[in-house]
Amino acid sequence: KAGVTQTPRYLIKTRGQQVTLSCSPISGHRSVSWYQQTPGQGLQFLFEYFSETQRNKGNFPGRFSGRQFSNSRSEMNVSTLELGDSALYLCASSSVGTAYEQYFGPGTRLTVT
Amino acid sequence: GEDVEQSLFLSVREGDSSVINCTYTDSSSTYLYWYKQEPGAGLQLLTYIFSNMDMKQDQRLTVLLNKKDKHLSLRIADTQTGDSAIYFCAETSGNTGKLIFGQGTTLQVKP
Repeated sequence: KAGVTQTPRYLIKTRGQQVTLSCSPISGHRSVSWYQQTPGQGLQFLFEYFSETQRNKGNFPGRFSGRQFSNSRSEMNVSTLELGDSALYLCASSSVGTAYEQYFGPGTRLTVT
Repeated sequence: GEDVEQSLFLSVREGDSSVINCTYTDSSSTYLYWYKQEPGAGLQLLTYIFSNMDMKQDQRLTVLLNKKDKHLSLRIADTQTGDSAIYFCAETSGNTGKLIFGQGTTLQVKP
């Protein structure tokens, strides 16, 4: 089975721009969660989607948004980028009901200049 | 609120056992996980334990859970240089995909 894939792997943006990151979960997984990883704050939960609905949301400003499509693929969007948004963005997929084992993709490294 | 704490660094000799410790505050935690992250990579799920278990063994990995003290540990037997990585403890409560992670423990294995 193919693992979680994330595109693009690397991205450089300028302050004020917006960005969209994509995540394709493991086949059959319907839950997708997003995390931000930075050296200062560590791993922080952004949001979780299940069956195209946001089930959980972390403590991030409204500039961070996401969605999930009917095939379970998910996108997250960050608008009006700030320097502090530079981070590794990780997506994880899970088959709900199985101890919520979350399998992570390789991440998208976003650099904001 | 929910919080997970780990020591930041551990150094061991190849062939020794490694023990990585974690404490958490959420008494309603249902599952606790150990993830491994190598440089430039995502997180690899190593193992997890349900909160009503005390111990779980999986090949070289042993997870111990002391629910009373809210203490979790990961023991790696016969540690190899390939085990050098950052290890994260995480917990979740209820039927949710929201994981709360510790800061990560960097494991250095010396030959």
